[in-house]
Amino acid sequence: KQEVTQIPAALSVPEGENLVLNCSFTDSAIYNLQWFRQDPGKGLTSLLLIQSSQREQTSGRLNASLDKSSGRSTLYIAASQPGDSATYLCAVPASGTYKYIFGTGTRLKVLA
Amino acid sequence: GAGVSQSPSNKVTEKGKDVELRCDPISGHTALYWYRQSLGQGLEFLIYFQGNSAPDKSGLPSDRFSAERTGGSVSTLTIQRTQQEDSAVYLCASRASGVLSYNEQFFGPGTRLTVL
Repeated sequence: KQEVTQIPAALSVPEGENLVLNCSFTDSAIYNLQWFRQDPGKGLTSLLLIQSSQREQTSGRLNASLDKSSGRSTLYIAASQPGDSATYLCAVPASGTYKYIFGTGTRLKVLA
Repeated sequence: GAGVSQSPSNKVTEKGKDVELRCDPISGHTALYWYRQSLGQGLEFLIYFQGNSAPDKSGLPSDRFSAERTGGSVSTLTIQRTQQEDSAVYLCASRASGVLSYNEQFFGPGTRLTVL
């Protein structure tokens, strides 16, 4: 059974810091992994999708890596800004299905 | 439209009433998902549609919950005889095709359901 864990649950950093969010999953037979952000009271915004054959994806100040064999993904945020404050979620499909399993998220606060 | 839309944005109902929640996916997206997010909880998968059929209903919590999709587009999630524990944000997402590897999910803004 696929389980997804995100560490830390919450993080508070001063503006300008580089930071890493972690996502672990128990079943490495995944098609892809997707990172999202969720602002309070809003839906999810897709940030990055990494295919199972890829090791990393980049979008602006965001870089996501994937290590299937160890069941881990990291989201690296460079030069953090107050506007990055949100909850960050990762999601992977459950084995052999189209059903996505989400982590419980990391709540990030970037202080001005 | 440009993105996934959901209606209503907020719904307050009395225990025991039926409610219908609507999702309009991105035009041309064949895959559609419903999720539930309870206060302080993660996202819980409810049901997945590919076209008009629902190959995976495994997340529906009880037989009070049902969903349909017509014309491969709009989907409706119906909750009968609502209970207080049904209070949550219901999120809909769509994806471009059934090929799992390449297509990301796009989410709507959600419907916040409150059962009094």
